[in-house]
Amino acid sequence: DAGITQSPRHKVTETGTPVTLRCHQTENHRYMYWYRQDPGHGLRLIHYSYGVKDTDKGEVSDGYSVSRSKTEDFLLTLESATSSQTSVYFCAISEETISNEQFFGPGTRLTVL
Amino acid sequence: AQSVTQPDIHITVSEGASLELRCNYSYGATPYLFWYVQSPGQGLQLLLKYFSGDTLVQGIKGFEAEFKRSQSSFNLRKPSVHWSDAAEYFCAVNAGGTSYGKLTFGQGTILTVHP
Repeated sequence: DAGITQSPRHKVTETGTPVTLRCHQTENHRYMYWYRQDPGHGLRLIHYSYGVKDTDKGEVSDGYSVSRSKTEDFLLTLESATSSQTSVYFCAISEETISNEQFFGPGTRLTVL
Repeated sequence: AQSVTQPDIHITVSEGASLELRCNYSYGATPYLFWYVQSPGQGLQLLLKYFSGDTLVQGIKGFEAEFKRSQSSFNLRKPSVHWSDAAEYFCAVNAGGTSYGKLTFGQGTILTVHP
């Protein structure tokens, strides 16, 4: 299994509070991604990174920011959490290969009350 | 923009029966295609992938998928389902080019297996 960990694994927070989710990899892969998973929507890309300090927006980036100061860490921040951001968040990594196969972390379940 | 459709939200089969999960994509050229499986409370695991060559690809756990360009489909099959195959299955597309790295997922198909 690819070495990907996410922390925390579960979090309950209140509307309006800031939240940061962490993704850590031990594979030294260049690309890292954040997805959210909601029933009926599959997984949707929030942000991704193609190198240290290099990030770009995905399909559902509003209300989220990311940072990548080291190859191994990719942080997802909700500046002011809303109930619509209640979801399961997955981090993924990939090497720079033509097929760009992605490997997923175990997920973080976030509940915003 | 690329899109992926999994027409079946929920499929129920008996153990030992054959299985086919449907996936259709919308994209002008041949994309990179993937099937992932997710067990309850777990992350996603790659079953198989297609990006060139033989249109019938073999994956893990006895799964296979066939790419049909004329039908824009990449259906997942298994000849004999085991109870442990009960999970949610996702088809995904990567268009490559300027979309390099961006996977678009289908809505998922939940598989229930009856004993």
